[in-house]
Formats: sequence, structure tokens, C-alpha cells
Amino acid sequence: NAGVMQNPRHLVRRRGQEARLRCSPVKGHSHVYWYRQLPEEGLKFMVYLQKENIIDESGMPKERFSAEFPKEGPSILRIQQVVRGDSAAYFCASSTNQGSNQPQHFGDGTRLSIL
Amino acid sequence: GQQLNQSPQSMFIQEGEDVSMNCTSSSIFNTWLWYKQDPGEGPVLLIALYKAGELTSNGRLTAQFGITRKDSFLNISASIPSDVGIYFCAGQGGGATNKLIFGTGTLLAVQP
Repeated sequence: NAGVMQNPRHLVRRRGQEARLRCSPVKGHSHVYWYRQLPEEGLKFMVYLQKENIIDESGMPKERFSAEFPKEGPSILRIQQVVRGDSAAYFCASSTNQGSNQPQHFGDGTRLSIL
Repeated sequence: GQQLNQSPQSMFIQEGEDVSMNCTSSSIFNTWLWYKQDPGEGPVLLIALYKAGELTSNGRLTAQFGITRKDSFLNISASIPSDVGIYFCAGQGGGATNKLIFGTGTLLAVQP
């Protein structure tokens, strides 16, 4: 999938624990997007980040969810105090910084299961 | 949240048949994209469309960006078993946010 690396591929957490999902974009890409996919549904936008900046977080729940894309290292999607409804596949995508509407290339996702 | 209407929801066809699926929206988009998702994997980009009326091909796949900028279709000719998967359209509005709005998906099954 065009070099976007996500880990872990599968993550199991108990209710109340924290989940940390990592995304390394395609080399040279400075734009990162996180999407969530529930079973048998399309992907829903959560947050769009450029290096060290959150550009659009309109799809991300206001509580318990946060995202970062530091100057060095992968982008992190963090979910605190997880609940059963957080169970989903979380996908990261990246694109270049050369203008808008550049195609987004996706990783293979992290499947989060909450017990 | 906002979603695109994609049809049909599922298709069951014989190998060698042609397939057509489409996507409609109440909003205008600057870019339309078509992705394919296999089980347990992320979406893979098939075709990107940037101009109203644009018709683009990628092998056996052909997609068009509707003149009104509110719709797009994807055709697959001479289907083969490896075409099986879920196909998603996605619209991109541009501007300050590059977020994608995804369709509801079309499940394609191809019988050898």
C-alpha cells in the first residue's frame, strides 16, 4: 500500500485502557490523515495533520481522542479510556505537500478490539 | 457524518462480464477518487479524477468525473476473479482541508 506503515496491525484493549496507534507515512510525505472504518461501512475522516500541526480535526471526537505528528517520528492516534464503541479499523493515509488534492495512499490499518 | 451514495451495494457476476458502479453526492467535489479494498487491508487507489467531464482509464478500469461535479462512475471491463473486493468512491473538496468523503461501497463478487 504505497509505503504507509501502520502498527500494530491488531490491538486488543480492555475497557478503560489506552490505545496508541502509530503511522509512518510514505517517505517524503508531510501530510497525514486518520480515518475510522466500522464493519461493512466506508471510511470516516477523523483528523488531518501536517508536521507538528493539526489542520482539521472536525471528524475526531472531542473527548478521549488525540492525534499528533511530531517533527521526528510517526504520527500517533491516541484513544484514552477506551469503550466498546471504539472497536473499529483505523486507517492512516499520507500525501505529498505539493498543492492540495494530492492522492492519499493508505496503510493496511490497525484493527482495534475492545474487550 | 457526510457520505456519498454509492450503487449498487453489491454485485454478483460471471467472469468476463463488464461492471458499472456509480457515486452521487449533494455536494460539489474538486476531485473524485476510486479505491479498492481487499479483506484485512487498506484501500488501494485505482483512479483519480481532477476535472469535471474527465474520463480516465487504468487498464480494464475506466472512470469519469461528472459534469456537475456531483457524481462519478467506475466501469470494469472483462472482469476476472481477482477483481473481487469492495470498491469505494471518495470525493475531495480541496481548500484548507484535503479530507476524503467516502461512499458506502460496492461489494463485487466474480464467479469463475
